[in-house]
Amino acid sequence: DTEVTQTPKHLVMGMTNKKSLKCEQHMGHRAMYWYKQKAKKPPELMFVYSYEKLSINESVPSRFSPECPNSSLLNLHLHALQPEDSALYLCASSLLAGKRNIQYFGAGTRLSVL
Amino acid sequence: AQSVTQPDIHITVSEGASLELRCNYSYGATPYLFWYVQSPGQGLQLLLKYFSGDTLVQGIKGFEAEFKRSQSSFNLRKPSVHWSDAAEYFCAVVKGEYGNKLVFGAGTILRVKS
Repeated sequence: DTEVTQTPKHLVMGMTNKKSLKCEQHMGHRAMYWYKQKAKKPPELMFVYSYEKLSINESVPSRFSPECPNSSLLNLHLHALQPEDSALYLCASSLLAGKRNIQYFGAGTRLSVL
Repeated sequence: AQSVTQPDIHITVSEGASLELRCNYSYGATPYLFWYVQSPGQGLQLLLKYFSGDTLVQGIKGFEAEFKRSQSSFNLRKPSVHWSDAAEYFCAVVKGEYGNKLVFGAGTILRVKS
């Protein structure tokens, strides 16, 4: 089973709202990732967690706040977003962080910021 | 810096015809390369990977790819395309000091005509 589950599938929020995206995996993976994919563009890495610790932040604005409360769960807290933040947000996980580790992706959350 | 280039934005093939999607990489040492497929509005599914060893790698859904160091290429092939193969295909390379970043090419949209 290589399933990464993301909820919700769709989210519409205003610029003053606070919302959270959730990602879950039960494969025993210890690395988890957030990617942002704008329309007609490839995914771009936002954050990497390794053993529940943030290891990479790709200079993402502070209105995006990741959290990894345990090894199976990854959240992305959203606050005061801008319309240009509308995108597909993809979560991925791998057994470990590192070159030979395959990343498995969830179906994504499509976010619209009004 | 490690990167991949997909020179074809769109490719259209007839159902039953053969397919080759191009990917060129930029990296001094042996790269860690992947091909992913993304159906509209969906997450990414791994088709195949190359880490080392045999330069012809087999993947799921009848896809294969050949690593050619002399040409800095990792092209994806399928001998006979099915209508369900219509999707966007991304080549990706591992990047970063610890190899925990995945960088994607711009993607190639495959259209299949009946």
